[in-house]
Amino acid sequence: ETGVTQSPTHLIKTRGQQVTLRCSSQSGHNTVSWYQQALGQGPQFIFQYYREEENGRGNFPPRFSGLQFPNYSSELNVNALELDDSALYLCASSTGQGFYSPLHFGNGTRLTVT
Amino acid sequence: DAKTTQPNSMESNEEEPVHLPCNHSTISGTDYIHWYRQLPSQGPEYVIHGLTSNVNNRMASLAIAEDRKSSTLILHRATLRDAAVYYCILRDKGNTPLVFGKGTRLSVIA
Repeated sequence: ETGVTQSPTHLIKTRGQQVTLRCSSQSGHNTVSWYQQALGQGPQFIFQYYREEENGRGNFPPRFSGLQFPNYSSELNVNALELDDSALYLCASSTGQGFYSPLHFGNGTRLTVT
Repeated sequence: DAKTTQPNSMESNEEEPVHLPCNHSTISGTDYIHWYRQLPSQGPEYVIHGLTSNVNNRMASLAIAEDRKSSTLILHRATLRDAAVYYCILRDKGNTPLVFGKGTRLSVIA
């Protein structure tokens, strides 16, 4: 089975710009979540989408937004980039079924804001 | 969210067993104990999860204390490929997000 793939792998942006990160979920998975991981820290939950609707959000400002498409691929958009947005952004997919489903993570997009 | 406490780092010799501890004294009755690991330059990877009983899979074993206030992830024979950050996470039943701490950085010495 094809795993979770993210693009691009690395990206450099300037403060104030906007960025779009992309994620292709694992086949059969209808739930996608995004995490931000600063250097030396554990990943922090940004938000989650289930069947194209946001159904959970962490402590991130509205300039972090997302989309999930009918084929369950997903985008993370960040507006008005700040230096502190420099981090590894991880996408994870799951089946969203039943009482529990493990998350399958991609290898992330490393974003550097200068 | 109920929190977990793990040692910052641990070291093991190759081909020896490794016991990674996790304390979760405020665990609730519906919290499952999950373990993920993150190898260098990769995203986190699911390892194992359990509720009350000890669990085994091809990657590891999970031993859960009778009062559920602590647990131990057991790697039966550490290999160099097991060098990673290991995260112990409590997750309520349902499709809730994972709350990561800083985890335990495991080094494996050849």
